[in-house]
Amino acid sequence: QVQLVQSGAEVKKPGASVKVSCKASGYTFRDYGINWVRQAPGQGLEWMGWVSTYNGATHYAQKLQGRVTMTTDTSTSTVYMDLRSLTSDDTAVYYCARETCTNDLCYPEHWGQGTLVTVSS
Amino acid sequence: QSVLTQPPSASGTPGQRVTISCSGSSSNIGSNYVYWYQQLPGTAPKLLIYRNNQWPSGVPDRFSGSKSGTSASLAISGLRSEDEADYYCAAWDDSLSGWVFGGGTKLTVL
Repeated sequence: QVQLVQSGAEVKKPGASVKVSCKASGYTFRDYGINWVRQAPGQGLEWMGWVSTYNGATHYAQKLQGRVTMTTDTSTSTVYMDLRSLTSDDTAVYYCARETCTNDLCYPEHWGQGTLVTVSS
Repeated sequence: QSVLTQPPSASGTPGQRVTISCSGSSSNIGSNYVYWYQQLPGTAPKLLIYRNNQWPSGVPDRFSGSKSGTSASLAISGLRSEDEADYYCAAWDDSLSGWVFGGGTKLTVL
């Protein structure tokens, strides 16, 4: 079965960077892209971007352009999300979500367990 | 402020039917499919409905989705206590070139 296991909780100071990992198993890694979605405490879901596990192509939310980088490591079936210049507004649970594609239309279906990132001085 | 608009709360009694609305615009719901996610307390979202009204494997048909114009709705029939959760609608937005979500609706089973 599809499994996405994310790295553990992080505490960072304002201005720092954080790198969250998402290790995939149970399917052919390069067949499906990965989305990243975050959820601030008590708030709704916010899409951050998408990375192709086939060729590393990326597509980021306009709001995060220049601050986020998503990469893949096919040798370990792992996707990484790197977020820089952190502020308290980046405090959130970060989820990776594998897409499923039907007739070339893809959507986030399988989700990781989430990683809490806390930004505090 | 979420791009898609949902009521913050909904409620019903066991066995009842409840609906949750989701309002968008021509660049998202009006031109793309709608998806619904269920998020139980302290857990990751789970896909409930895809492509407006399709069920992923394992999702009971008590949950149903519909779409008309720039609005969509999720209906839950035969309400159960385990349905108590947050529900989110989502759609691709052509103008923003990204996924947008509703603010979420907290469903309480009385």
